[in-house]
Amino acid sequence: EPEVTQTPSHQVTQMGQEVILRCVPISNHLYFYWYRQILGQKVEFLVSFYNNEISEKSEIFDDQFSVERPDGSNFTLKIRSTKLEDSAMYFCASSKPTTGGEQFFGPGTRLTVL
Amino acid sequence: GIQVEQSPPDLILQEGANSTLRCNFSDSVNNLQWFHQNPWGQLINLFYIPSGTKQNGRLSATTVATERYSLLYISSSQTTDSGVYFCAATYYGNNRLAFGKGNQVVVIP
Repeated sequence: EPEVTQTPSHQVTQMGQEVILRCVPISNHLYFYWYRQILGQKVEFLVSFYNNEISEKSEIFDDQFSVERPDGSNFTLKIRSTKLEDSAMYFCASSKPTTGGEQFFGPGTRLTVL
Repeated sequence: GIQVEQSPPDLILQEGANSTLRCNFSDSVNNLQWFHQNPWGQLINLFYIPSGTKQNGRLSATTVATERYSLLYISSSQTTDSGVYFCAATYYGNNRLAFGKGNQVVVIP
């Protein structure tokens, strides 16, 4: 069964450094998403991406964040100048190109900022 | 945005017991999903259920869209059912899933 994959599973970085989180969505899906979950809290939407551009973003997704589909399979989240409060589990998800379609989540990348 | 409320926040069950988790949402939805977050933090899709009833083994779910709620039933609970159950929904016009705070379920042997 196709699944969303994410790398790395864990990332530790120093405050102020840049990190890139990588995702490979399910191959016939055209909507891609990033969500995050701070430890002990609920999952929060960051951004959705369709047709090579951002389709929606939350207030969390400020200039510190960017997304890219560098090739036909990968989808990345870049966090510039990381802060302590960026420590969280980051989930990538994908869905078919229909509004309200089922979203499938990757296993997550646990980011720790020291 | 859409508000998603889950109850009860915490639930302790004896192995073999049945339980019902509830999700209320504030607006009409075109997507309603239930997830189980396992101890490693992974979100496992349980149901995609914007309306109607579905069953998968010991789990079943019902969404009554007109009354803006969904229920997740766990029957004959096992210790492996422990974890956090999340309900999440999108409303018409966008694809951002809004999550509830989750139901923390502990099944004791």
